Amino acid sequence: DTGVSQNPRHKITKRGQNVTFRCDPISEHNRLYWYRQTLGQGPEFLTYFQNEAQLEKSRLLSDRFSAERPKGSFSTLEIQRTEQGDSAMYLCASSNDRVEETQYFGPGTRLLVL
Amino acid sequence: AQSVTQLDSQVPVFEEAPVELRCNYSSSVSVYLFWYVQYPNQGLQLLLKYLSGSTLVKGINGFEAEFNKSQTSFHLRKPSVHISDTAEYFCAVRIPLEYGNKLVFGAGTILRVKS
Repeated sequence: DTGVSQNPRHKITKRGQNVTFRCDPISEHNRLYWYRQTLGQGPEFLTYFQNEAQLEKSRLLSDRFSAERPKGSFSTLEIQRTEQGDSAMYLCASSNDRVEETQYFGPGTRLLVL
Repeated sequence: AQSVTQLDSQVPVFEEAPVELRCNYSSSVSVYLFWYVQYPNQGLQLLLKYLSGSTLVKGINGFEAEFNKSQTSFHLRKPSVHISDTAEYFCAVRIPLEYGNKLVFGAGTILRVKS
């Protein structure tokens, strides 16, 4: 069990560019979550997957955001036409599907949009 | 809708003193309760969780929390803090699967331990 990993850890981009982040969950976990954390706030839910199916999306996830988990293992989060308001820490978490599931978080990807 | 309120944005405390970080939640359905810790530029690490059973739960690093259903609270305590406990602490509720299956977090409490 190597934990949840995220790449890259930091990303600086210019407004209008597209960015993609990757999350590798704990290997036996079939649920994967994306959260966004802005400065001074707690993480806010964006979306979650059960295996490869995306089961819920927050209203925070505008049409510029898309997430995939094609084979039920790693996931990608893409932001198109980035805006300065997208600057945040993007956190990934994974869990199993038991009733008492606990979400385990990765180190996050910090995005800065100039 | 579910919400979590962390009553203190910052808590300064001297080393070896006791500390309590307060958390209240609002929910129309039963929820599970969690405390996570975040060190600078890192992700969230689980401290402890309440799922059912005993209302006093013990976690890592000497932390414990007590679930109080009547007061809808889940306060975090440690009898004697160390400098290394300086971090941001987040209280969260997990909504059951049929209602969305996500964590709802409070805004966080920064614990500053002074020598």
